[in-house]
Amino acid sequence: KNEVEQSPQNLTAQEGEFITINCSYSVGISALHWLQQHPGGGIVSLFMLSSGKKKHGRLIATINIQEKHSSLHITASHPRDSAVYICAAVWADRGSTLGRLYFGRGTQLTVWP
Amino acid sequence: GAGVSQSPSNKVTEKGKDVELRCDPISGHTALYWYRQRLGQGLEFLIYFQGNSAPDKSGLPSDRFSAERTGESVSTLTIQRTQQEDSAVYLCASSLEAGPWGTYEQYFGPGTRLTVT
Repeated sequence: KNEVEQSPQNLTAQEGEFITINCSYSVGISALHWLQQHPGGGIVSLFMLSSGKKKHGRLIATINIQEKHSSLHITASHPRDSAVYICAAVWADRGSTLGRLYFGRGTQLTVWP
Repeated sequence: GAGVSQSPSNKVTEKGKDVELRCDPISGHTALYWYRQRLGQGLEFLIYFQGNSAPDKSGLPSDRFSAERTGESVSTLTIQRTQQEDSAVYLCASSLEAGPWGTYEQYFGPGTRLTVT
């Protein structure tokens, strides 16, 4: 069983729509990352957060430690936002691999013009 | 500045051959990670290096896989006697350091697409 669960697996939207991607995880994480994987395969780190909320342009990431849940929001979506979005968690107490990422399965987002 | 680079970008090899994949991390980054992504599947951890500490090899799928890192620079992932199930994109990432709380951003390379025929 994957310890980092993402939903939905696939998401289709019209340009301009507000997008939400969800991520849930088991207790005790030290940080949560949101990554974007472009159709060509390149991966870019969007956010890293351990509490609260972060915003970068049209992207917003939130995390609720008590509910063990994080969300990635995209406002005014655009076709260029089409990509796979991956949630990844870090547990500080798992052996010697500090910073190792445990990945969700990803959400394929397609935004139509 | 320069990001993480990987070479080759694509590699096609015959089953049973050995392959070497190279990763050049961002200068000054002490932590380096190798991940694998099989077609249609999620990312999986392979191995991790942090400074001069012993690497964590817990993610390597078999003893055919090995990796080395020279100091805090280049890393090489070697796969011996390749099998078709080794076909995947192999991604390298580096971060400033791992830190006690994993709170350093990881920068990913473009990956090496390995195809075993």
